Amino acid sequence: AQTVTQSQPEMSVQEAETVTLSCTYDTSESNYYLFWYKQPPSRQMILVIRQEAYKQQNATENRFSVNFQKAAKSFSLKISDSQLGDTAMYFCAFGNDKIIFGKGTRLHILP
Amino acid sequence: NAGVTQTPKFRILKIGQSMTLQCTQDMNHNYMYWYRQDPGMGLKLIYYSVGAGITDKGEVPNGYNVSRSTTEDFPLRLELAAPSQTSVYFCASSYWGAYRTDYNSPLHFGNGTRLTVT
Repeated sequence: AQTVTQSQPEMSVQEAETVTLSCTYDTSESNYYLFWYKQPPSRQMILVIRQEAYKQQNATENRFSVNFQKAAKSFSLKISDSQLGDTAMYFCAFGNDKIIFGKGTRLHILP
Repeated sequence: NAGVTQTPKFRILKIGQSMTLQCTQDMNHNYMYWYRQDPGMGLKLIYYSVGAGITDKGEVPNGYNVSRSTTEDFPLRLELAAPSQTSVYFCASSYWGAYRTDYNSPLHFGNGTRLTVT
């Protein structure tokens, strides 16, 4: 069975600091995609970043970057220069046709 | 371009009632999904569909049924509602072609339906 584990239920960092959210997953597949989604209090699901498992280069999107270690089945999200608007739940997800999600990390950015 | 539209936004059901959550997308996506999110938790996959006429179970399918008669619509049916089905339900869609192509899209989500069963 495919599983996703986010080991940090909650984190707090000061504004402008860098924070890393962890995610590990388990699958027997070799072709899949990985995602980080953000869910602010509005409940809307917003794509933060996407990584294709066949690409060795780590994805970046402005202040957001990932550290993808395929052999270790690890997919962490780094947020640089954190902003108050980054406060949200962050979900790691992966799959191909069937996409499954982790339980999330609640991130608080403190002023 | 409305994206993924879910109706209703809120609903209260009594135990044993049934209802259908509607989901429609106008992006010509071939894949559609239903997830539920319990308070403070992640999203659990209920059912998904890779195209019209094809559906498959996800992680938590019991108590639900789906159909996919058109590319655009993917309704979720709750029969005999139970308090354990109190949750926020999200519909999502995506386009998947061949692996290793740039036109595969990520999941696009609707705004969710908050369902309470009492």
